[in-house]
Amino acid sequence: QKEVEQNSGPLSVPEGAIASLNCTYSDRGSQSFFWYRQYSGKSPELIMFIYSNGDKEDGRFTAQLNKASQYVSLLIRDSQPSDSATYLCAVNPPRWGGYQKVTFGTGTKLQVIP
Amino acid sequence: NAGVTQTPKFQVLKTGQSMTLQCAQDMNHNSMYWYRQDPGMGLRLIYYSASEGTTDKGEVPNGYNVSRLNKREFSLRLESAAPSQTSVYFCASSQPAGGVTDTQYFGPGTRLTVL
Repeated sequence: QKEVEQNSGPLSVPEGAIASLNCTYSDRGSQSFFWYRQYSGKSPELIMFIYSNGDKEDGRFTAQLNKASQYVSLLIRDSQPSDSATYLCAVNPPRWGGYQKVTFGTGTKLQVIP
Repeated sequence: NAGVTQTPKFQVLKTGQSMTLQCAQDMNHNSMYWYRQDPGMGLRLIYYSASEGTTDKGEVPNGYNVSRLNKREFSLRLESAAPSQTSVYFCASSQPAGGVTDTQYFGPGTRLTVL
């Protein structure tokens, strides 16, 4: 079982719709969860991080964490063509013995159709 | 601020050649990382440096060495390149605070091809 699993996609949504990206993780002791966006040929950039169960909102983005079910999701409201990118989920598993390393999922490719 | 810079941006090597990938950050971060990204494999940690003078192996360290030259610079060396090392290499840095993993800032990447 992979430590961090994401559906590779592509996930296609029409412009203006809500895009829902999901991620599951295997290590129940994981404490920090991150969503990165990566445009084709570019480097990853952080969108959001979440540590506590529940929802965290930042503009059009909402991260949701459910530790009991071991999943974290990212909702993008009013999706725009500029949101088309690969979204990477990253998790900080306790096996690294500290708080400074994360394990990345393989990413979900999002396509927003105008 | 330039953030995290990497050189070179592109490189083609022949099997058995050596090279060093350079990374520097101007954000005064303590922690620095080297990742490789391959299709379908995601980002995998090669080496990590929690602070100046310390380095630690990640998931895929075989075939690589690193040097944390000072707080700003963290280099990755391939001693004898192999085709399996064809990949995109990213350097990142972060400044952990309060015992919680902090945001990692990535450089633009080096696209390496080994023939």
